[in-house]
Amino acid sequence: DTEVTQTPKHLVMGMTNKKSLKCEQHMGHRAMYWYKQKAKKPPELMFVYSYEKLSINESVPSRFSPECPNSSLLNLHLHALQPEDSALYLCASSQAQDNYGYTFGSGTRLTVV
Amino acid sequence: QKEVEQNSGPLSVPEGAIASLNCTYSDRGSQSFFWYRQYSGKSPELIMSIYSNGDKEDGRFTAQLNKASQYVSLLIRDSQPSDSATYLCAVAQPGGYQKVTFGTGTKLQVIP
Repeated sequence: DTEVTQTPKHLVMGMTNKKSLKCEQHMGHRAMYWYKQKAKKPPELMFVYSYEKLSINESVPSRFSPECPNSSLLNLHLHALQPEDSALYLCASSQAQDNYGYTFGSGTRLTVV
Repeated sequence: QKEVEQNSGPLSVPEGAIASLNCTYSDRGSQSFFWYRQYSGKSPELIMSIYSNGDKEDGRFTAQLNKASQYVSLLIRDSQPSDSATYLCAVAQPGGYQKVTFGTGTKLQVIP
């Protein structure tokens, strides 16, 4: 299995809602990432998990809360988002010991209304 | 601040020609270099990685790295309309999963 699966593919949520994005991989990768990408911009790193531990938090607002329940799963919990948080949210995975590049999921297109 | 610079394009080439995409980076400690292809509305897909000076070929793609000049490039031979996409250059620091910095991408248009 060489895929990273993200659900849902599209999400519309109100500013008072709580929702979660899910990511799953079965490639044995022990590093997993959340990226945010706005239109015509490069992906912007949010969080890195290595061996199920949070390794990097790029000063992301607390309305975004990551969780890594096991080596195959990564969640991003969303609460009280703002319209400017609307973007494509990408999950990626890679080897943890050496950087041979990322495998990205297909992304969740998030719209905050 | 670590930077990765790319010309945003669009770079237009006729079908069958060679497309040349360029990238410069600011951090001399960078050790791993990647090219991702991103179709409009889709997620990035890794197409090439290069770690040492010189050329690396994979099918119609050739990545070139010159660490002294802090320069990495991607050549696409026999360009096809299906190659039309944004190409992201990405640079990583030494060690495992360390943060990757993406360039802003070059939009390539292959004209039939």
